[in-house]
Amino acid sequence: GAGVSQSPSNKVTEKGKDVELRCDPISGHTALYWYRQRLGQGLEFLIYFQGNSAPDKSGLPSDRFSAERTGESVSTLTIQRTQQEDSAVYLCASSFYEAYGYTFGSGTRLTVV
Amino acid sequence: GEDVEQSLFLSVREGDSSVINCTYTDSSSTYLYWYKQEPGAGLQLLTYIFSNMDMKQDQRLTVLLNKKDKHLSLRIADTQTGDSAIYFCAVDNDYKLSFGAGTTVTVRA
Repeated sequence: GAGVSQSPSNKVTEKGKDVELRCDPISGHTALYWYRQRLGQGLEFLIYFQGNSAPDKSGLPSDRFSAERTGESVSTLTIQRTQQEDSAVYLCASSFYEAYGYTFGSGTRLTVV
Repeated sequence: GEDVEQSLFLSVREGDSSVINCTYTDSSSTYLYWYKQEPGAGLQLLTYIFSNMDMKQDQRLTVLLNKKDKHLSLRIADTQTGDSAIYFCAVDNDYKLSFGAGTTVTVRA
């Protein structure tokens, strides 16, 4: 597609439920990244994919967080047993070359109530 | 990890120049970036500078890099109301970007 697409754009969930966030990167972009943006803060790195492999998962906050990528395309970020501190905007980005000209999606705003 | 600092707020009169400053700690960064975020939107890449450059100009935007002081700035000439947004400085570390907390720029008439 023309840009990075994320869905849903907004998600409200009850504490303890699982959520899945989806990212469709720009076609042909081999690198894909997930970042988290808490209110009033900068972006925190979560995970990096090169193709379908994730050589760096160091930013995932806990084992409740996981992500996968298939077909060197779509990625899903899953948060299990959501907690209120998980409330944030989750941003996905993709790039053709690593860390050169990242293109970000509009994000998924997750609210855990 | 990388530490990137920015001032949080800037208020500027329409038509004046805006200058947003950023300091960082990692001297090995190859590219340094400025992103713009408008309400409810994702981050838009505004411009970037390669680490061996001192200055880059792109229409109304001028980026200055002082590697010795690890200081990056973004100047917006003739600031317009459409420039009201949050501006993020980011530096790369291999494939990762480290971001500042963002500077909220408010343009007043």
